[in-house]
Amino acid sequence: AQKVTQAQTEISVVEKEDVTLDCVYETRDTTYYLFWYKQPPSGELVFLIRRNSFDEQNEISGRYSWNFQKSTSSFNFTITASQVVDSAVYFCALSEDNQGGKLIFGQGTELSVKP
Amino acid sequence: EAGVTQSPTHLIKTRGQQATLRCSPISGHTSVYWYQQALGLGLQFLLWYDEGEERNRGNFPPRFSGRQFPNYSSELNVNALELEDSALYLCASSYGTLSNQPQHFGDGTRLSIL
Repeated sequence: AQKVTQAQTEISVVEKEDVTLDCVYETRDTTYYLFWYKQPPSGELVFLIRRNSFDEQNEISGRYSWNFQKSTSSFNFTITASQVVDSAVYFCALSEDNQGGKLIFGQGTELSVKP
Repeated sequence: EAGVTQSPTHLIKTRGQQATLRCSPISGHTSVYWYQQALGLGLQFLLWYDEGEERNRGNFPPRFSGRQFPNYSSELNVNALELEDSALYLCASSYGTLSNQPQHFGDGTRLSIL
């Protein structure tokens, strides 16, 4: 069965600290896609990144970086030098090739960055 | 480019009534998805429409239904409202039907059942 687990419910850091959000997934498909979304207090989910199951290259975008490891079924998200504007709920999600667009979300991690 | 728009922002109903939520996708997107975000239950997939057809459905009772119009906008209808239907309902759209296409979300409709 497909499942996404974000074990960290809440994380609180002080500005400029680095923080890593964990995501572990389960799937029987060999082709699947992983996503990270950010949900600020306004409610809208903002797409951050997509990773294909056959592409294990890590990715960096500014202060954001993602580490995808198939061996441990993990897709972790690191924010370097966190800022107050990073405060939000972050969701990891899984899409399987045979499920046609259905996103399976983790429970989310609420990140609070204090000044 | 306009994003996904949803209306109304808030909707207050009583038990047993019916609710209609509306969604306009990003221009050029043909697929529309509906998700429910209820307190304590996280984000759950409800429905997927593409080219006017229902393509996939989540584990929700039949009183949750919807449709997609020729202009790709969509409606979600919830009949015989129950207290546990209180939630934020999020609509998303994507280009095409491939599972690797990122879904782009609207601000949601907050449905409150009294």
